[in-house]
Amino acid sequence: QSALTQPASVSGSPGQSITISCTGTSSDVGGYNYVSWYQQHPGKAPKLMIYDVSNRPSGVSNRFSGSKSGNTASLTISGLQAEDEADYYCSSYTSSSTLEVFGGGTKLTVL
Amino acid sequence: QITLKESGPTLVKPTQTLTLTCTFSGFSLSTSGVGVGWIRQPPGKALEWLALIYWDDDKRYSPSLKSRLTITKDTSKNQVVLTMTNMDPVDTATYYCAHRLTVASNWFDPWGQGTLVTVSS
Repeated sequence: QSALTQPASVSGSPGQSITISCTGTSSDVGGYNYVSWYQQHPGKAPKLMIYDVSNRPSGVSNRFSGSKSGNTASLTISGLQAEDEADYYCSSYTSSSTLEVFGGGTKLTVL
Repeated sequence: QITLKESGPTLVKPTQTLTLTCTFSGFSLSTSGVGVGWIRQPPGKALEWLALIYWDDDKRYSPSLKSRLTITKDTSKNQVVLTMTNMDPVDTATYYCAHRLTVASNWFDPWGQGTLVTVSS
């Protein structure tokens, strides 16, 4: 069981917006602005999409945005495109001895 | 451009020790703040952070695996080595190494392509 809770799957049609949630506790997501999001296509390595809750690395489309409220972080993808179909993982720093925790992953299907 | 590549055995037997090497380019592990981490992913399952080493040889381990893991670096070779003892079939996974920009950077970017390790007799 992963330390951070994500929905197993979400779906949306091209052009729509979707949001993926990532729920933790006050020891991780809620306690620090250190949430990151990764995109993983089948058979590929994860790619950083968002860091420190809402920052986009250079080269990542501005259709991807992140936010946080309390113990829940969210990744929003606007203007869905077929190429966005992938697995998405959240990650957070944690004050526990684990140091770093991942979510269970969410499979995004573009209908 | 930063690149990382994992190498090691694709098949290990139960109880054996796994040794994986991460060879990187585009940065130096002698640069203040820089780190390299290891993360694994069992087939069809989620990511799991394993270990992290920083430029100053500070090492961090997942508490659940700490007794089995050792992470070391060879700055001159641009390599980081992860050893995991007493391998079990549940350790079958793709193992990734990844770059950490600074101590204050709580993310990994970029990642290596990963290497699949199967544990079976």
